[in-house]
Amino acid sequence: ETGVTQTPRHLVMGMTNKKSLKCEQHLGHNAMYWYKQSAKKPLELMFVYNFKEQTENNSVPSRFSPECPNSSHLFLHLHTLQPEDSALYLCASSQDRRRWDGYTFGSGTRLTVV
Amino acid sequence: AQKVTQAQTEISVVEKEDVTLDCVYETRDTTYYLFWYKQPPSGELVFLIRRNSFDEQNEISGRYSWNFQKSTSSFNFTITASQVVDSAVYFCAPKTGTASKLTFGTGTRLQVTL
Repeated sequence: ETGVTQTPRHLVMGMTNKKSLKCEQHLGHNAMYWYKQSAKKPLELMFVYNFKEQTENNSVPSRFSPECPNSSHLFLHLHTLQPEDSALYLCASSQDRRRWDGYTFGSGTRLTVV
Repeated sequence: AQKVTQAQTEISVVEKEDVTLDCVYETRDTTYYLFWYKQPPSGELVFLIRRNSFDEQNEISGRYSWNFQKSTSSFNFTITASQVVDSAVYFCAPKTGTASKLTFGTGTRLQVTL
């Protein structure tokens, strides 16, 4: 069983819908990340949170809104998405942001925007 | 900035064959870490190995082995006697700097058939 749990596993939403992706870890990690994985493209880092504070936003459109209420939970709120936003959204966590820390990934949410 | 190139987009082998996945990275840092992850069809990225830039010893773990050549900035991964369960996408990812993040390439899709 993975240490990082993402829900839902699959999500289909219309362009006018509002939905949220949830990520939860009970590994005692302090840093959490959202990645986007589109077909035939490298994984794109979207957001980084360290001790609940957002430390990085890689020019992500405002229709994606992250929230980190505590070190164990990370959300990605979605609204008025476009079909090109369809992708696998992966959450990850790490103990810290030190260079030797690897990440633990969740299984992802497969998002389809129709 | 760091960059990683996995030139092999897809590799197809027959079970029991050996296969090597190439990874070439770029970084200006002298201290860095290199990671390999496996992404099976289920979606989550599974950590395989971490190597720091000062340790050039090759590593073997069961059927897996890694060849780190700092002089050529390569960190290649070999699977000996491949099995169908090895079918996945494999990512090499460097990590440098004090507030570092994993940088992924496009990965190599390995298909092992009977």
